[in-house]
Amino acid sequence: DGGITQSPKYLFRKEGQNVTLSCEQNLNHDAMYWYRQDPGQGLRLIYYSQIVNDFQKGDIAEGYSVSREKKESFPLTVTSAQKNPTAFYLCASSNTGFTEAFFGQGTRLTVV
Amino acid sequence: QKEVEQNSGPLSVPEGAIASLNCTYSDRVSQSFFWYRQYSGKSPELIMSIYSNGDKEDGRFTAQLNKASQYVSLLIRDSQPSDSATYLCAATQGGSEKLVFGKGMKLTVNP
Repeated sequence: DGGITQSPKYLFRKEGQNVTLSCEQNLNHDAMYWYRQDPGQGLRLIYYSQIVNDFQKGDIAEGYSVSREKKESFPLTVTSAQKNPTAFYLCASSNTGFTEAFFGQGTRLTVV
Repeated sequence: QKEVEQNSGPLSVPEGAIASLNCTYSDRVSQSFFWYRQYSGKSPELIMSIYSNGDKEDGRFTAQLNKASQYVSLLIRDSQPSDSATYLCAATQGGSEKLVFGKGMKLTVNP
């Protein structure tokens, strides 16, 4: 089945630890995105990538890092510098040319 | 001004009515516009995309785009309780693939 897979679905970490969220797609999409959603809020863009080995900061990139070594994969690391990391994290992908983006199931990160 | 703005809501309509959702955007070079539906606890799912001025219809859904006024709207005809969800407006920015979202509007359809 084609789609976007995020793992894990739920993730718990202690404060001060870095954590990496996985996002894999088999849709052959060039563009990939990471968003953060807090309760009752819309989606805020963390990072996006239009091609392999290139990515751009979104609106709330501080405390996060990404890599895009393969077209299929766009992992997000939440570092200890992120002051309030508990949130719902969503990965999306799309073809280039301003076309529709499709989302994975999301990862709920809780930092205690 | 935020890049994509939606009415704060929430919006409540009776079953069978028309629900109207509105969105404005600040970037005049935005090229692509999308409406997503998000059920509580789930990820957003695409329901409509629109790229040129005018109306686009898909079943009970109609998206409207007015680039001169920089607004996008979504009409849901014959609203059903299953349409109760948060609706998110999104637009690409600055001629790039950067995709930004509004805060969303919660819609409740009452039986």
